[in-house]
Amino acid sequence: DQQVKQNSPSLSVQEGRISILNCDYTNSMFDYFLWYKKYPAEGPTFLISISSIKDKNEDGRFTVFLNKSAKHLSLHIVPSQPGDSAVYFCAASRLGSNYQLIWGAGTKLIIKP
Amino acid sequence: DAGVIQSPRHEVTEMGQEVTLRCKLISGHNSLFWYRQTMMRGLELLIYFNNNVPIDDSGMPEDRFSAKMPNASFSTLKIQPSEPRDSAVYFCASSLGVGQGRNYGYTFGSGTRLTVV
Repeated sequence: DQQVKQNSPSLSVQEGRISILNCDYTNSMFDYFLWYKKYPAEGPTFLISISSIKDKNEDGRFTVFLNKSAKHLSLHIVPSQPGDSAVYFCAASRLGSNYQLIWGAGTKLIIKP
Repeated sequence: DAGVIQSPRHEVTEMGQEVTLRCKLISGHNSLFWYRQTMMRGLELLIYFNNNVPIDDSGMPEDRFSAKMPNASFSTLKIQPSEPRDSAVYFCASSLGVGQGRNYGYTFGSGTRLTVV
């Protein structure tokens, strides 16, 4: 049972445009959500997180939106740059399990010049 | 700080051989995680240490897998004997306290790509 789903295996976006990566979850006990970015032959790198008490968190070009009623979060990258081409993982943490992260399968983002 | 350092980067071994993967944590971090990534199962948590003590090893697939943390900065993951289905990328990650890691992310190493033939 996949508790964190990233339904798009890949996404292609023109440089300068907005990239929107989506993530759905099923467990209402999740209270923290994180996005990681992964380049080939490297480990995942933490990008941005959001607590379930918020609906938006912004860090430079990256904004994460959380819609608790829909159990959906999204990562917006504006403007998209070639260096943003990577695999993006959504992960969720459950209240009471303070180390276990449940990971999505990842979305490969390709930024076209 | 050099970050989380894993060695070797690549390991090719024959079925039945012992394999040892190594991880050096970031100085001051006290939470360590070993993950495995495969195409079929994505990222799986194998084991979690806090202050050198194994807290949760429920993700370790079989008794062939063992992990140790002999000191605050170093950990090993051993597979003995290795099998072809163990082929995967193994990551270790650390954080400054599990609460920090949960909310602000873990620092991952670059991984060890293991191929068992």
